[in-house]
Amino acid sequence: AQKVTQAQTEISVVEKEDVTLDCVYETRDTTYYLFWYKQPPSGELVFLIRRNSFDEQNEISGRYSWNFQKSTSSFNFTITASQVVDSAVYFCALSEAGYGGSQGNLIFGKGTKLSVKP
Amino acid sequence: GAGVSQTPSNKVTEKGKYVELRCDPISGHTALYWYRQSLGQGPEFLIYFQGTGAADDSGLPNDRFFAVRPEGSVSTLKIQRTERGDSAVYLCASSLYSRGLSTDTQYFGPGTRLTVL
Repeated sequence: AQKVTQAQTEISVVEKEDVTLDCVYETRDTTYYLFWYKQPPSGELVFLIRRNSFDEQNEISGRYSWNFQKSTSSFNFTITASQVVDSAVYFCALSEAGYGGSQGNLIFGKGTKLSVKP
Repeated sequence: GAGVSQTPSNKVTEKGKYVELRCDPISGHTALYWYRQSLGQGPEFLIYFQGTGAADDSGLPNDRFFAVRPEGSVSTLKIQRTERGDSAVYLCASSLYSRGLSTDTQYFGPGTRLTVL
């Protein structure tokens, strides 16, 4: 069965600190996709990144970086030098690849609420 | 172009009433998804459309919930005989469609907050 676990319910940091959000997933498929979304107080889910199961290279985008490790079924997200605007709920999600025209719906974790204080 | 839009942004109704929630996907996106997000939880899948047809409705909680997409663009989620437990934010997402072994990124709308009194 598919499952995404975000063990950290809430994290509070002071501006400029680095913070890592953990994500552990379960799937029986060998082909799958992992996502991170940001949900600011306004409520709209904002796409951050998508990785497929064949690409374990870490990715960096500005202050954001992602560490994908299949050996531990983890897809962790690090924000370097956090800012107040990073305050939001962050969701990790899993989707199994679609075959024959179907596409996978997203299985979300419960989210981690990040508060960055000035 | 414009992102996914949803109307209304807020809907308050009384127990037992019927409601319709509308989603307008990104232009050119053939795949459309509905999710429901309860307070403090991640979104949960309800139904997925590919074009006009519901390709997967396994997430609909019961037969009070129904969704349509008659022209392959705008979709309407319909809830009959609403119950207090239906109160949640209903999110719509759309994505491009590509055949074969792939999953396209889903882009979400702002959601409709439904409150059943």
